[in-house]
Amino acid sequence: KNQVEQSPQSLIILEGKNCTLQCNYTVSPFSNLRWYKQDTGRGPVSLTIMTFSENTKSNGRYTATLDADTKQSSLHITASQLSDSASYICVVRGLAGTASKLTFGTGTRLQVTL
Amino acid sequence: DAGVIQSPRHEVTEMGQEVTLRCKPISGHDYLFWYRQTMMRGLELLIYFNNNVPIDDSGMPEDRFSAKMPNASFSTLKIQPSEPRDSAVYFCASSYRTADNSPLHFGNGTRLTVT
Repeated sequence: KNQVEQSPQSLIILEGKNCTLQCNYTVSPFSNLRWYKQDTGRGPVSLTIMTFSENTKSNGRYTATLDADTKQSSLHITASQLSDSASYICVVRGLAGTASKLTFGTGTRLQVTL
Repeated sequence: DAGVIQSPRHEVTEMGQEVTLRCKPISGHDYLFWYRQTMMRGLELLIYFNNNVPIDDSGMPEDRFSAKMPNASFSTLKIQPSEPRDSAVYFCASSYRTADNSPLHFGNGTRLTVT
């Protein structure tokens, strides 16, 4: 069964600190992996999309890494800001035939405090 | 572009009543998805359309749920009759092609409470 597991479930950090969120998946065959940010009361917004051949992808202070061999991904947030407080959702897409079935993680809830 | 637009933002209804959720996708997007999000189960795909045609409705919980897309700029998700366990946030999302690396663009959801 295709699964995406994220850790930690929740995290509290001080403003200005860095943090790393983890995503492990069992989806196979694999097409791409996405990270979404979901602010409270809003829909998810895409941060990065990584294919099989990509190891690292950055979007401002967000850097995603992917190890397709171990089926692990991480999202690193540098110099956190209060506006980074949100849920971060890891999503994995299978290859054609399963393309309609994105597998979602349940998210990591990040709170950035003063 | 205004993004994906959903209405209403909040809906409170009594058990047994009919509920209709509405979605306007981003212009030019040919895929439209309906998702449901709960704390326990996260985001779950209910149904998706390609060029206004339903492709996969295997996620629709039961016959009480139905979805239509009469044209490229409008879709509805209907629940009749509604039950308390249908309480959740319902998201509509659209994308341009689903077989490549196009991201999903989500609306801000409809929070449904069935009492």
